[in-house]
Amino acid sequence: DSGVTQTPKHLITATGQRVTLRCSPRSGDLSVYWYQQSLDQGLQFLIQYYNGEERAKGNILERFSAQQFPDLHSELNLSSLELGDSALYFCASSPSWENTEAFFGQGTRLTVV
Amino acid sequence: QKEVEQDPGPLSVPEGAIVSLNCTYSNSAFQYFMWYRQYSRKGPELLMYTYSSGNKEDGRFTAQVDKSSKYISLFIRDSQPSDSATYLCAPTFPYTDKLIFGTGTRLQVFP
Repeated sequence: DSGVTQTPKHLITATGQRVTLRCSPRSGDLSVYWYQQSLDQGLQFLIQYYNGEERAKGNILERFSAQQFPDLHSELNLSSLELGDSALYFCASSPSWENTEAFFGQGTRLTVV
Repeated sequence: QKEVEQDPGPLSVPEGAIVSLNCTYSNSAFQYFMWYRQYSRKGPELLMYTYSSGNKEDGRFTAQVDKSSKYISLFIRDSQPSDSATYLCAPTFPYTDKLIFGTGTRLQVFP
């Protein structure tokens, strides 16, 4: 167990809908990262927050947004969902903004039908 | 050219074999080289990492970096069925904000 908790584990929703994925980082970790993993694209970095502030952005679509709250948990919001958004979404945390040792959660499997 | 490339496999070996997993990268500025292991339906977990060139050993695992050829290897000695997983390499910069992963190599170790 990495200490990073993601909910829900599975999510099935229809195209056009909006969902929120939640991540609780390891105790004491200030940095949270979101990744998308699909079969054909591998693990893609989406966005990083450090102590409540957005620090880095990767290949995140405009339909997606994230935030990190004062208690350091983070949420990833996905809207106007398309079939191609079906993937595993992972959250990772690390003690600092350096990603040298990031610990991953178990992921949320999103299926858009 | 992708920043990080790995052969997706699957690589199928008998128990006890020595396994070599490889990764190439394009950016010569990478200085940390990480290997993550991902079991099916689980999150990736950090296996080991090295800084700059050279070897690092941890039990049955050895990570090797050749910066001159931009080539990273992970060797697994006396492979076990429990090693069956996808292995992802992630070279990175110091003080970086994100990890860039290879697509991973799926390893199957059969008894």
